[in-house]
Amino acid sequence: SYVVTQPPSVSVAPGKTASLTCGGTDIGRKNVHWYQQRPGQAPVLVIYFDSDRPLEIPERFSGSNFGNLATLTISGVEDGDEADYYCQVWDSGTNHAIFGGGTKLTVL
Amino acid sequence: QVQLVQSGGEVKTSGASVTVSCKASGYPFNRYGITWVRQAPGQGLEWMGWVNTDNAETKIAQKLQGRVAMTTDTSATTVYLDLRSLRPDDTAVYYCARDKDGYSDFDHWGQGTLVTVSS
Repeated sequence: SYVVTQPPSVSVAPGKTASLTCGGTDIGRKNVHWYQQRPGQAPVLVIYFDSDRPLEIPERFSGSNFGNLATLTISGVEDGDEADYYCQVWDSGTNHAIFGGGTKLTVL
Repeated sequence: QVQLVQSGGEVKTSGASVTVSCKASGYPFNRYGITWVRQAPGQGLEWMGWVNTDNAETKIAQKLQGRVAMTTDTSATTVYLDLRSLRPDDTAVYYCARDKDGYSDFDHWGQGTLVTVSS
């Protein structure tokens, strides 16, 4: 089945830019969605279909997807962005949705 | 506004069954499916399956087939997750989420339901 890989952790200073990656074979040919999960809370959709942003999500959040890597970029990182971030794709081979293992974003 | 409100936490023993409900409001119920996702303590998200609220079609994760059922009650705008033959490793927070067609993003989530299974 399709495998999606995320680094376990990323650290960034406030005001800087965080790049969270999601790797998979030819992932650029799939639709990638990103979720933010703060401790003790339900996940929240932050990017869908690679680069679209729900209306309530700040413009600081953006996404891209090409080749074997999808990226969630958070510019001007704030303390409130500290959370776990999960990428998700649909695997047509197994007819399953697949989540990456998640990346814990720490704001220094 | 779109809301998904789930039933309360459950404590079960191994071998038992559990039902978690997810009541939807704020949108045309039959136009969006519902996906179920679970999260074991300290772990990542695991997709369990999806139910079409219009025709009751389901897609179930292979590892859960035979133990999981997903049903809908259109009049109550509620979706149900049934999990049988519970094991301690089924201990998790169970989330429902809105998913238009079973292939898309999960744009609104319920608050989660903790199911604890003891041996």
